[in-house]
Amino acid sequence: SQTIHQWPATLVQPVGSPLSLECTVEGTSNPNLYWYRQAAGRGLQLLFYSVGIGQISSEVPQNLSASRPQDRQFILSSKKLLLSDSGFYLCAWSVAGVSTDTQYFGPGTRLTVL
Amino acid sequence: QKEVEQDPGPLSVPEGAIVSLNCTYSNSAFQYFMWYRQYSRKGPELLMYTYSSGNKEDGRFTAQVDKSSKYISLFIRDSQPSDSATYLCAMSAMDTGRRALTFGSGTRLQVQP
Repeated sequence: SQTIHQWPATLVQPVGSPLSLECTVEGTSNPNLYWYRQAAGRGLQLLFYSVGIGQISSEVPQNLSASRPQDRQFILSSKKLLLSDSGFYLCAWSVAGVSTDTQYFGPGTRLTVL
Repeated sequence: QKEVEQDPGPLSVPEGAIVSLNCTYSNSAFQYFMWYRQYSRKGPELLMYTYSSGNKEDGRFTAQVDKSSKYISLFIRDSQPSDSATYLCAMSAMDTGRRALTFGSGTRLQVQP
């Protein structure tokens, strides 16, 4: 069966510091991968998605970036965090080549920028 | 206007009640509809998936899609305190290209014992 991991689970960072969040998927090959942010009491905002190694599409221009160095690894980064970057970051995967787009989520990383 | 509208709640019901959660949408291209359950401080968990119009039942849960009205529902029978969570609807069109879901903002449900 497939599993998705995210770490760290929680993170408290000062404004202006760098960020690196990691997501890995097990039990599947060539998945579509996604990064979402969920602000308190709000829906999910798609940040990035990837259909393959090195292929990243950005949905929202901001100071975040994403990379996919390996097939089942997705990394969310920032060089300098802003207060507005605080939120719950979720990684998700879906089966490539299937149009249903059903996505499966990881446990999330709660980021607080002070 | 948001593409997907969902009443944020909170919706509070007694244990054993029938719960109705709803979403409306504006994009007539949506064909795939999903409901996710999210417990506090956890990632969303896929509950139900339906294609086009109609009903789908899974245990105490029934998902209903009315494409003519652009309206989807999730019914929970015999609700339990363990059903207390935020419920997110999500949908997609076959030809989105960017292979992403459009989510509602979620409805918070509280089932009182």
